[in-house]
Amino acid sequence: EVQLLESGGGLVQPGGSLRLSCAASGFTFNNYAMNWVRQAPGKGLEWVSTISGSGGGTYYADSVKGRFTISRDNAKKTLYLQMNSLRAEDTAVYYCAKASPAAQAMFDSWGQGTLVTVSS
Amino acid sequence: NFMLTQPHSVSESPGKTVTISCTRSSGNIASIYVHWYQQRPGSSPTTVIYKDDQRPSWVPDRFSGSIDSSSNSASLTISGLKTEDEADYYCQSSDGSNVLFGGGTKLTVL
Repeated sequence: EVQLLESGGGLVQPGGSLRLSCAASGFTFNNYAMNWVRQAPGKGLEWVSTISGSGGGTYYADSVKGRFTISRDNAKKTLYLQMNSLRAEDTAVYYCAKASPAAQAMFDSWGQGTLVTVSS
Repeated sequence: NFMLTQPHSVSESPGKTVTISCTRSSGNIASIYVHWYQQRPGSSPTTVIYKDDQRPSWVPDRFSGSIDSSSNSASLTISGLKTEDEADYYCQSSDGSNVLFGGGTKLTVL
């Protein structure tokens, strides 16, 4: 059974930094691209970033480009999101999502999410 | 880049059929795959339809997906509505290296 467990969320001041982690189990981690998707309170889903299985390819939404960095440690089966220069509008639940082998850019498993609150 | 537009909300009675649309703002809807996710309150999203009309094995056949080139839209249809279908539904696609979600549709089963 695929399990994705996010951690690292919390309260941070505007301009601050935070690193999210997503521990994966139940599948061959390095075979799959991984993603971060966020959801602001009461709002819809927003894709944040994708990293290829090897880690050699990374992609970002325009809203976070230059501020966020996605990475992975395949030996530890863990996905990361380093978030710098945080803004109030980055406040959201951040989900880790596994790419599906059935279709490009489709997510077949999601974590429970971790809440990031950016506020002074 | 393009946008995916969904109705903000729909409502229908148990046992009835409801269709949720997802309209592509520019470009041909048939040139991309559209996926659909269900998100119940307080839960993470789950896939109900992928690649326009494919249904995961665990999703009941009351759920179906389609593409309509004339309206440049994808649709999610749920028949035989049950109260457990009450949730937010999101369409999603990809434009090269960018991933896009529709704004979401709140389905109320009353």
